[in-house]
Amino acid sequence: QVLLQESGPRQVKPSETLSLTCTVSGDSVSSGRFLWNWIRQFPGKGLEWMGDIYYTGNTNYNPSLKSRVTISVDTSKNQFSLSLSSVTAADTAVYFCAKESSSRTAFDVWGQGALVTVS
Amino acid sequence: EIVLTQSPATLSLSPGERATLSCRASQSVSNYLAWYQQKPGQAPRLLIFDASNRATGIPARFSGSGSGTDFTLTISSLEPEDFAVYFCQQRSKWYTFGQGTKLEIK
Repeated sequence: QVLLQESGPRQVKPSETLSLTCTVSGDSVSSGRFLWNWIRQFPGKGLEWMGDIYYTGNTNYNPSLKSRVTISVDTSKNQFSLSLSSVTAADTAVYFCAKESSSRTAFDVWGQGALVTVS
Repeated sequence: EIVLTQSPATLSLSPGERATLSCRASQSVSNYLAWYQQKPGQAPRLLIFDASNRATGIPARFSGSGSGTDFTLTISSLEPEDFAVYFCQQRSKWYTFGQGTKLEIK
């Protein structure tokens, strides 16, 4: 059973960088079978896919965030991480890490989520 | 960007009734459409992937249909635990989500 757990600061100041880490258990990020994702949910409940990463370090990002987002992977720790620069109040959201499904078209395992407030 | 529009925004039904939720895409997504259920304080839970395939452990009362731009999630007979918010999601060049349908108890 794959489990994901987000960690990191829950409050960030405007103009600073938001950083979160997702720790994976029950599978290896370096297995090469899946992409590992970050998704956020705004207070109004809308969901936004931010990007994904393969164990090789290859990434895909949402074009609307591409200039501010960086996703990285640490295979030795079985973790992947999110950095979002120049944050504003509009970046206040619950941030989820999620595993791509075997079909490569959905997300079948999610972390519990981390509410990050920009203030 | 492909926009997904869900309807209705809110659906009020009673346990035992049939629920029909709609998701329309601004352009064809083939069959790359998924459905999720979300309860307060929880992460979304994958119900259906590739338009009509139930995810592992999902009860048979949940079914999905459609292709191209029009998709439907059907819950054949509502159980008390089914009242939640439902999102659709597509995978084309990148992923986008619908705005959600709240299924509430009438």
